[in-house]
Amino acid sequence: KAGVTQTPRYLIKTRGQQVTLSCSPISGHRSVSWYQQTPGQGLQFLFEYFSETQRNKGNFPGRFSGRQFSNSRSEMNVSTLELGDSALYLCASSLSIQETQYFGPGTRLLVL
Amino acid sequence: AQSVTQPDIHITVSEGASLELRCNYSYGATPYLFWYVQSPGQGLQLLLKYFSGDTLVQGIKGFEAEFKRSQSSFNLRKPSVHWSDAAEYFCAVGAGIGGYGGSQGNLIFGKGTKLSVKP
Repeated sequence: KAGVTQTPRYLIKTRGQQVTLSCSPISGHRSVSWYQQTPGQGLQFLFEYFSETQRNKGNFPGRFSGRQFSNSRSEMNVSTLELGDSALYLCASSLSIQETQYFGPGTRLLVL
Repeated sequence: AQSVTQPDIHITVSEGASLELRCNYSYGATPYLFWYVQSPGQGLQLLLKYFSGDTLVQGIKGFEAEFKRSQSSFNLRKPSVHWSDAAEYFCAVGAGIGGYGGSQGNLIFGKGTKLSVKP
C-alpha cells in the first residue's frame, strides 16, 4: 500500500506570496493532520481533518488554513508568507481520529 | 497544559552499546504515548505506541519503551545500537479529547533527541 504523499517536496516563495501544499493520505484513511517543523519551535500541530471537517486546530494565525476533500486528500494554504513560515510541513493520515498516524516525507518551504 | 520533555538534546553512543532516551510528559488524563524516529530529510516513522495495558511496549527495529505513570515517563530503550539507528527521536503525547478513545490527530511532540552512533 502506498504511503502518504506530499507535493511539492520543495518550494521557494517570497514574502507576501501565498502557497498551497497538498497531501494524499494512505488509501482508506479518512483523517489527515498537518504539522509544522522548525529548528526553533520543533514540531507543532496545525490542524486535523476528518470526513471533510476540521476537528482540531493548533495555535497558528488565520493565515494558515486547510481543507479536506471528499476523497480525503487535503490541502493547506498559507497566505501572506513571512520569513518565519520557512519550515518542513508534515502531513499525517490515519484511518480515523482514534487511530495511529502515519507521516509523509514533508514539504520543505523556504520563504525569502 | 499538556507537554512533553525530552531532556537530552544530543546523545552519542558506541555501536553495540545499549541506549535509553528519556521522555517525560504532562497530561491530565490517561495519555496516548508515541515514539517516532526521523532520519535526515525524511518524515516521521512510528517506532511504538502505548494506549493502555502492559506498560512495556515492543516496537519495530528492536526498540521498546516502558510507561511509568508514577514518574510520568515513557523512556525508549534498545539493548544494542546499530549505526543505522543514528537519527532524531521524538516522543509525543496524543492531546485530543483525552482518555481511551480520544483523538490522536493532535500530537504534542518533545523537542527531540538526536542520536549519533560511534563506530
